[in-house]
Amino acid sequence: QVQLQESGPGLVKPSQTLSLTCTVSGGSINSGGFYWTWIRQHPQKGLEWIGYISYNGSAYHNPSLRGRLTISLDTSKNQFSLKLTSASAADTAVYYCVRATDYDYGDTWGQGTLVTVSS
Amino acid sequence: DIQMTQSPSSLSASVGDRVTITCRASQTISSHLNWYQLKPGKAPKILIYGASSLQSGVPLRFSGSGSGTHFTLTISSLQPEDFATYYCQQSYISVPWTFGQGTRVEIK
Repeated sequence: QVQLQESGPGLVKPSQTLSLTCTVSGGSINSGGFYWTWIRQHPQKGLEWIGYISYNGSAYHNPSLRGRLTISLDTSKNQFSLKLTSASAADTAVYYCVRATDYDYGDTWGQGTLVTVSS
Repeated sequence: DIQMTQSPSSLSASVGDRVTITCRASQTISSHLNWYQLKPGKAPKILIYGASSLQSGVPLRFSGSGSGTHFTLTISSLQPEDFATYYCQQSYISVPWTFGQGTRVEIK
């Protein structure tokens, strides 16, 4: 059974880069038919799709974050990562890594990690 | 972006009650509608995909219906473990996915 686990700093200073990694276990990140996805939930707010990357490295980003966002794969470690530059308080959220199917729904989620952007 | 509107934003119900949550899309999305359950501190869970297909392992008391712009999630007999927040998500336009604002189901 595939499991996903987020890791990274829980506190980021404003203007710095927010970096998170998702480790995939129980399955290969090289599997076709899946998209490795980041979703966030601002405090007391709803869910926001950040973007995803396919097994072959094709990445799709939320236009609202374009220019600040990089999503990448590390197949040797079975991980994928998120980097969000110029972080601000508006980026404070619980970040989830998610495996999405070809039909564009998340069938497996990590537990989420809270990232706070504050000085 | 396609806007998704859920109602109600919260509801109180008792164990055994039938609960219905509605999700409306700002434009037609055919049957490209998915439902998730979120609980604090736990990994979110997909319940329904493609508007009405039950994800493997999800109890049969959960069902989804609708197409076009109007969708519903029904819990036929609410159980203690169902108290959670539920979100709809459209997958008609992939970039970006968009979600409803959530419906919190609380104990009456």
